[in-house]
Amino acid sequence: DAGVIQSPRHEVTEMGQEVTLRCKPISGHNSLFWYRQTMMRGLELLIYFNNNVPIDDSGMPEDRFSAKMPNASFSTLKIQPSEPRDSAVYFCASSLFNLGQLAGRKDTQYFGPGTRLTVL
Amino acid sequence: GIQVEQSPPDLILQEGANSTLRCNFSDSVNNLQWFHQNPWGQLINLFYIPSGTKQNGRLSATTVATERYSLLYISSSQTTDSGVYFCAAVPRGNKLVFGAGTILRVKS
Repeated sequence: DAGVIQSPRHEVTEMGQEVTLRCKPISGHNSLFWYRQTMMRGLELLIYFNNNVPIDDSGMPEDRFSAKMPNASFSTLKIQPSEPRDSAVYFCASSLFNLGQLAGRKDTQYFGPGTRLTVL
Repeated sequence: GIQVEQSPPDLILQEGANSTLRCNFSDSVNNLQWFHQNPWGQLINLFYIPSGTKQNGRLSATTVATERYSLLYISSSQTTDSGVYFCAAVPRGNKLVFGAGTILRVKS
């Protein structure tokens, strides 16, 4: 398996521009997560989907951030307009998890390589 | 929400030494994972260990769920073990809450 795939790996943009980050989860996984890593706040969950439906977006910092999962093999995280404080590494992760079932080995989360975003 | 605390915050080892990293969590958990973030930034799964003990080569982990802590043991450390070690807990559902990490540097 190719693992979780993210693109681009690096993105440099100017303040005010729209940024779109992309993620392809591991085939067969039904949960997808977006995380952000900064020096100040560490790793924090932004949003997660189960079976393409957003379950918890309480970590999304503000309305400038939006995420979609149009199908089981693709998700986007969009920032519009971008600001310098959005500079961070954004990780996507996926797992096989079913709400309501007991936790088990299958809900291990696997992370992609991340997208390093720099907003000037 | 749940608090996940890791200690020590940073650690310097001589190659070949052993070490123990600790993770305390403030509430009961359904899931606990240990990750290694290598110098290139990749997050690598080490263990899925909500309870009990597991071993993988020179690494092993133990979680005592009733006492709300987990330990990661690194034996015969190598320079390639350098990086940041995170534990992450799932108090409910499927939301990982990360600790701040332990920065490990192994010197040759």
